Amino acid sequence: SQTIHQWPATLVQPVGSPLSLECTVEGTSNPNLYWYRQAAGRGLQLLFYSVGIGQISSEVPQNLSASRPQDRQFILSSKKLLLSDSGFYLCAWSAAGGVNQPQHFGDGTRLSIL
Amino acid sequence: LAKTTQPISMDSYEGQEVNITCSHNNIATNDYITWYQQFPSQGPRFIIQGYKTKVTNEVASLFIPADRKSSTLSLPRVSLSDTAVYYCLVGDRLSGGYNKLIFGAGTRLAVHP
Repeated sequence: SQTIHQWPATLVQPVGSPLSLECTVEGTSNPNLYWYRQAAGRGLQLLFYSVGIGQISSEVPQNLSASRPQDRQFILSSKKLLLSDSGFYLCAWSAAGGVNQPQHFGDGTRLSIL
Repeated sequence: LAKTTQPISMDSYEGQEVNITCSHNNIATNDYITWYQQFPSQGPRFIIQGYKTKVTNEVASLFIPADRKSSTLSLPRVSLSDTAVYYCLVGDRLSGGYNKLIFGAGTRLAVHP
């Protein structure tokens, strides 16, 4: 069966520090991968998606970036965090092969910026 | 962009059937309707997906009328553990035709003893 792992589960970082969140998927090949952010009490906002190694598309301009160095690895990064980067970050995958594939989410990373 | 409208919150009691209705007036011909459940501090969990008429699985049923402008998630005999936020989504297209899900604020379901 397929599984998705995100770490760390919680993270407290000072303003201006760098960020690296990692997500890995097991049990499937060539998945579509996604990074979302969720503000408290709100719905999810899509940040990045990837349909293959090295292929990243951004939905929202910001000081975050994403990379996909391996087929089942997706990384969210920042060089200098802002207070507004606080939130709940979720990684998700869906099967390749087009639209309407359900997305499956990890358990998220709670990021607090001080 | 196809958007959805659903109640902000609902209350129910253990053992009752809960129906959550979602409006999606601008749904595209090829879009499916998908429902997710989210508990606090967890990622959303896929519940059910459908295109038209009725879909049923071990967790819920999804009713979609012929015009597909709305859908109803039905949870039979809810328990306290069904207290969560429920999201109704319709697909949208990212560049290259890949799937994008537009998450609204969802419906907060509270199940009481």
